[in-house]
Formats: sequence, structure tokens, C-alpha cells
Amino acid sequence: QKEVEQNSGPLSVPEGAIASLNCTYSDRVSQSFFWYRQYSGKSPELIMSIYSNGDKEDGRFTAQLNKASQYVSLLIRDSQPSDSATYLCAVNTGFQKLVFGTGTRLLVSP
Amino acid sequence: EAQVTQNPRYLITVTGKKLTVTCSQNMNHEYMSWYRQDPGLGLRQIYYSMNVEATDKGDVPEGYKVSRKEKRNFPLILESPSPNQTSLYFCASSSLFSGANVLTFGAGSRLTVL
Repeated sequence: QKEVEQNSGPLSVPEGAIASLNCTYSDRVSQSFFWYRQYSGKSPELIMSIYSNGDKEDGRFTAQLNKASQYVSLLIRDSQPSDSATYLCAVNTGFQKLVFGTGTRLLVSP
Repeated sequence: EAQVTQNPRYLITVTGKKLTVTCSQNMNHEYMSWYRQDPGLGLRQIYYSMNVEATDKGDVPEGYKVSRKEKRNFPLILESPSPNQTSLYFCASSSLFSGANVLTFGAGSRLTVL
């Protein structure tokens, strides 16, 4: 079993819809969770971090964490074509130990 | 501009020819790390450094060396490259203040080993 699992997609949503990206992880002691966005041909950039159970909102982005179910999600409201990218879930499993999922490709159509 | 700079951005080399990929950051970050990104495998950590003269292996260190003689620089050395090291490489840095896992990535270095 992979440490961090994501559906590779592509996840296709129309402009203005809510995109829901999901991630599961295997290490129960993980405390920190991150979403990085990677445009094609570019480097990853951090868009959200979450450390506690529940929801964390930042603009159009909401991260959700459920440690009991070992599940992290990212919701993107009012999706825009510029949101089309690969979204990487990352889980901290120790000091300087960040394990990335393989990413979910999101396509937002105009 | 705060950034992580990697060079070269693209490199084609042959098996066994030693090469170095340089990485430099101008943010005074304590932590630096190297990742490789391969289709279907995602980003995997090669080596990381907590500060000057403090480095440790990540998940896939075989075939690589690193050094951290200055805080701003963290070169990745491939002593004898092999075709299975063909990959996209990213250097990243982070700070004690912001958190070790809040990474700023360089633009990436695409390496092809023939």
C-alpha cells in the first residue's frame, strides 16, 4: 500500500463548479498535511496546509482533514480554467520527511 | 526576488560521466532538499539538509551525493550516472520559521542519461 494515495484523474469539471480532490494516507501518526499545485512544466507550489481535524478555508480553497479516516481533501469552489493543474497531496511522516502522492490532474473546461 | 535557482535546467549526458546540479536559495532558509519526479511515482526525496554540514538520506539516495558547505547552496552530485537516473529533479528549501514542510521549489532540472 502506498503511503499517500490519490486518484490520478483527470478530474474534469466545468467552469464555476466545485472540484473535489481526495487523498488517503497510511501513517496514523502523521500530523501535517499539505496541498501543492503543479502546472504542466512547472514546479510545485504550496496552496494549503492543514494540521487539525475539520475544515480550513482560504479564498476559493477549502482543505478538509479527517485523521480518524486518514483522509484529506481539497475543495475548489467556482473552478476556473486557470485552476487546471496537477494537485499533489503531501503528508509529513517525520522530521523533514514529506511524502507526496502521485497527484490528481484537474481539468476545468470553459 | 525570493527564489531557489537550479542549474542546469536541461542536461543530456552519457552513462558514467560525473555531473553536478547546482542549487542556490536567497531566502536564508535552514532546510534544503532534493527530489526527483517520475511518472507514476510522484515526487521522491533523495537527500535533505537541516543546515550547514548536516545532511541525511531521503527515500532514494542511491547513486547520489550532496554537500552543504554554505547555507545557500546544496549541490546534487551524480558520480556515475546511469539511465535509471533519467528524471526531473527539484531542489527545495524551507525555513525553521515557516515550517520544514512548507517548501519553495526551484524550477526543476530535466536530466537525461544515455
